[in-house]
Amino acid sequence: AQSVTQPDIHITVSEGASLELRCNYSYGATPYLFWYVQSPGQGLQLLLKYFSGDTLVQGIKGFEAEFKRSQSSFNLRKPSVHWSDAAEYFCAVGAPGSQGNLIFGKGTKLSVKP
Amino acid sequence: DTGVSQDPRHKITKRGQNVTFRCDPISEHNRLYWYRQTLGQGPEFLTYFQNEAQLEKSRLLSDRFSAERPKGSFSTLEIQRTEQGDSAMYLCASSAITGGEQFFGPGTRLTVL
Repeated sequence: AQSVTQPDIHITVSEGASLELRCNYSYGATPYLFWYVQSPGQGLQLLLKYFSGDTLVQGIKGFEAEFKRSQSSFNLRKPSVHWSDAAEYFCAVGAPGSQGNLIFGKGTKLSVKP
Repeated sequence: DTGVSQDPRHKITKRGQNVTFRCDPISEHNRLYWYRQTLGQGPEFLTYFQNEAQLEKSRLLSDRFSAERPKGSFSTLEIQRTEQGDSAMYLCASSAITGGEQFFGPGTRLTVL
């Protein structure tokens, strides 16, 4: 079955520290891959996406993610976290070449310590 | 472009009542999606439209749920005979046919008492 796993429910990092949020997926082929961020009371905002090509993708707000086919992973990273990054982060997959539904992980809540 | 909008933002209703939500997508987007998000979970796909045609429905979409997009612009999601288990955030998203990413609205939070 197609699924997305985000192993960490809640992560706390200090402001200025680096961040890595994990995402693993189970899919028949290499899917389209996405990271979204959701702040309290806000809708989901796309941080970055991977369709094909360079496996290291850059997104907004200083985030990047690396696709590793061998590990079926698409981990999100940021070298230096800001207090405003506190939010919930969702990894999602979609069928390649299709505009159909996205399958989301359960999310990782990020807290930032001053 | 003001993005995807949803109305109302919050809805409280009593069990057994019918509710209807509206979604206005980004104007040039042909595809429109509905998702449901419960506490502690990621969004779960319900259904999507390309223009006015409903192309896919999840098995989560019971016969109490109906969605329409009559003119290929805004969409409505109706829940009949609401149950407490319907309490959730209902998210709408839209995308362009040639794009890949979906743009989400702020959601409608439904509470069924």
